[in-house]
Amino acid sequence: QKEVEQDPGPLSVPEGAIVSLNCTYSNSAFQYFMWYRQYSRKGPELLMYTYSSGNKEDGRFTAQVDKSSKYISLFIRDSQPSDSATYLCAMTFYNQGGKLIFGQGTELSVKP
Amino acid sequence: AAGVIQSPRHLIKEKRETATLKCYPIPRHDTVYWYQQGPGQDPQFLISFYEKMQSDKGSIPDRFSAQQFSDYHSELNMSSLELGDSALYFCASSLGGQGNYGYTFGSGTRLTVV
Repeated sequence: QKEVEQDPGPLSVPEGAIVSLNCTYSNSAFQYFMWYRQYSRKGPELLMYTYSSGNKEDGRFTAQVDKSSKYISLFIRDSQPSDSATYLCAMTFYNQGGKLIFGQGTELSVKP
Repeated sequence: AAGVIQSPRHLIKEKRETATLKCYPIPRHDTVYWYQQGPGQDPQFLISFYEKMQSDKGSIPDRFSAQQFSDYHSELNMSSLELGDSALYFCASSLGGQGNYGYTFGSGTRLTVV
């Protein structure tokens, strides 16, 4: 079983919808949590990072962490066709060199 | 702003050949990470360097080696290539040997082994 599990999708939503992307993890030593967006054949692009339980908002994006349940989410409001990409959750340990453990990625398609 | 530069963008090699991938980190970044992403897979950590010393090692085959040079650029050397080595190889960089807040990835090198 992978340390980080992510709903694989694919996910298809109409433009303007609220999107919820989710990951669970098994190792309680993970302290830092990120969401990356990856367009086809491109490098992952950092969207958000957080390290505490609760919500963090950045524009249309909200990252949510629940350390007690080992669960993280990314919400996208007012989704746009340009949001169509693969979304990867990632996490790492505190001060242990920065190796990221990724989820499998969720492919999102936002239809006009 | 300057990003992480990887070269070449595409590489086609035959089985049993050798390949060298290069990574130029963001200026002033002293830490480099290498990841391998197979088709439809998530990125898998290979190896990292901080201040020219190997800082962590993941699922990197013994046929692969890497180093970080005095100008902080890094090279991933892959020998005795196998068909299964075909993948996207990403490099990322950060400052201070940590990635607590995430880091910037390059656009990757697509390696195809035929």
